[in-house]
Amino acid sequence: SQTIHQWPATLVQPVGSPLSLECTVEGTSNPNLYWYRQAAGRGLQLLFYSVGIGQISSEVPQNLSASRPQDRQFILSSKKLLLSDSGFYLCAWSVAKLNTGELFFGEGSRLTVL
Amino acid sequence: QKEVEQNSGPLSVPEGAIASLNCTYSDRGSQSFFWYRQYSGKSPELIMFIYSNGDKEDGRFTAQLNKASQYVSLLIRDSQPSDSATYLCAVDNTDKLIFGTGTRLQVFP
Repeated sequence: SQTIHQWPATLVQPVGSPLSLECTVEGTSNPNLYWYRQAAGRGLQLLFYSVGIGQISSEVPQNLSASRPQDRQFILSSKKLLLSDSGFYLCAWSVAKLNTGELFFGEGSRLTVL
Repeated sequence: QKEVEQNSGPLSVPEGAIASLNCTYSDRGSQSFFWYRQYSGKSPELIMFIYSNGDKEDGRFTAQLNKASQYVSLLIRDSQPSDSATYLCAVDNTDKLIFGTGTRLQVFP
């Protein structure tokens, strides 16, 4: 069966510090991968998605970046965090051709920037 | 910017009643529509998806789609306190899903 792992689960970072969130998927090949952010009291905002190794699409211009170094690994990074980067970050995967399937979410990473 | 809109709520219904959740979308080219449930502090989980105009039933849940009017709805029959959560509407856009801000549902005993 397929599983998705996301870490760390919780982190508190000072403004200006770097960030690295990691996500891995097991039990499937060539998944579509996604990073969403949910700010307090708000909906899910798509940040990045990837349909293959090295292929990253950015939805929102910001100080975050994403990379997909391996087929089932997706990394969200920042060189310098802003207060506005606080939120609940969710990694998700789907089979290719999304409209035939659903998104499977990780457990989330709660980031607080102070 | 393609958008998905939902009333943020909260929508409060008594136990046993029908809860009706609505969603509108802007992209007429969208083909697939999803309802996710998210408990506080947790990840969203899929409840239902619908591709064709009309109704689709699954247990206590019914999804309704009207592409001409660009709206999707979710009905929850015999609402239970355990249904209290935020319900997110999502619409496909090529390789990704666009989510609404969610409607918070409260079911009181």
